[in-house]
Amino acid sequence: NAGVTQTPKFRVLKTGQSMTLLCAQDMNHEYMYWYRQDPGMGLRLIHYSVGEGTTAKGEVPDGYNVSRLKKQNFLLGLESAAPSQTSVYFCASSYSVDSEQYFGPGTRLTVT
Amino acid sequence: DAKTTQPPSMDCAEGRAANLPCNHSTISGNEYVYWYRQIHSQGPQYIIHGLKNNETNEMASLIITEDRKSSTLILPHATLRDTAVYYCIDMDSNYQLIWGAGTKLIIKP
Repeated sequence: NAGVTQTPKFRVLKTGQSMTLLCAQDMNHEYMYWYRQDPGMGLRLIHYSVGEGTTAKGEVPDGYNVSRLKKQNFLLGLESAAPSQTSVYFCASSYSVDSEQYFGPGTRLTVT
Repeated sequence: DAKTTQPPSMDCAEGRAANLPCNHSTISGNEYVYWYRQIHSQGPQYIIHGLKNNETNEMASLIITEDRKSSTLILPHATLRDTAVYYCIDMDSNYQLIWGAGTKLIIKP
């Protein structure tokens, strides 16, 4: 039981490049989330999903897109990376909207 | 903006109880209070949550005041491995967790 896994762990992009972050969970959770965390701050919700085939915007969705084609996977895309998107990205999943969230180890992204 | 306020940092001696306060004076009657912690830069880890009654699990106890405007997380016997940033979190009307900057708890030997 791996819990929540994220790929890749580290990535450096040049401004304007695109990339996709992959999150996978093996707990059969309906809810999945993408957060970003900037130095010294708490997490901010980018997008979330309440089930396969659904997505919704969080607090800071601009510049990101997501897809949930399979229940166990939640993809976060950056179409044209900007230095302001340099951050640590965390994925999480939960059984229901108000149950505990399980987090992945994070992806450190640097945009130069 | 975060709906909770916490002190930015606290110290506690190893083996002692660590008491972490949180103010959530604007919390609604049906909103839970959640506590998570983040060790180094790892993914956050759930600790406990509660609505109005005190809660206890294998990690910690949560004491919520009767008016629900504040709460205290208690780690009964702190160890060096409890050094982390502790987040007291409310849930907004869209069922999203609103994270503040948390309290950096340092356990000293």
